[in-house]
Amino acid sequence: EAGVAQSPRYKIIEKRQSVAFWCNPISGHATLYWYQQILGQGPKLLIQFQNNGVVDDSQLPKDRFSAERLKGVDSTLKIQPAKLEDSAVYLCASSSIRKNIQYFGAGTRLSVL
Amino acid sequence: AQTVTQSQPEMSVQEAETVTLSCTYDTSESDYYLFWYKQPPSRQMILVIRQEAYKQQNATENRFSVNFQKAAKSFSLKISDSQLGDAAMYFCAYRSRKLTFGKGITLSVRP
Repeated sequence: EAGVAQSPRYKIIEKRQSVAFWCNPISGHATLYWYQQILGQGPKLLIQFQNNGVVDDSQLPKDRFSAERLKGVDSTLKIQPAKLEDSAVYLCASSSIRKNIQYFGAGTRLSVL
Repeated sequence: AQTVTQSQPEMSVQEAETVTLSCTYDTSESDYYLFWYKQPPSRQMILVIRQEAYKQQNATENRFSVNFQKAAKSFSLKISDSQLGDAAMYFCAYRSRKLTFGKGITLSVRP
């Protein structure tokens, strides 16, 4: 079974630029999550989708972050414009409705200069 | 709000020895799940072990076991016969409606 796929693995941008991350969950997983992991901390949930609907986006900075999952499969997370404090690893995870286990991708390491 | 506390930032263990990683959490709920995840330098979070709060029996997965003390809100991870490949960051996590992580602990294994 293929795992959660994310791209790119690394991204370096300057502040005020925009950036997008892509995630393909495990086949059949209805729930998809985006997390932000700042160096030295645990991941923090940004947004949760169930199919193509948003379940929880309470910690998403909506003035600059957006995410979509139009067909209920792949998802993109966008930052526009980026700030220095957005430097972090962005992790995508997915889970099935039946099992309460989240499976994570390898993440995208973003550096904002 | 639920919080997860991992008070030890780093630990070291000799290969083949046993090490215990501590975790406490704060919640007013009675039904929840607890997890330990491993994050090697590759960054991918790998599930190590899971515990349902309603189960009194401590979960075990090969060399990994937990000591779940529900009344004390404590959830420690014991790694037996430590191997070099166990070196990584370990995160304790709590889930009711959403997954909340602790700050993690860096485990090094001495050959």
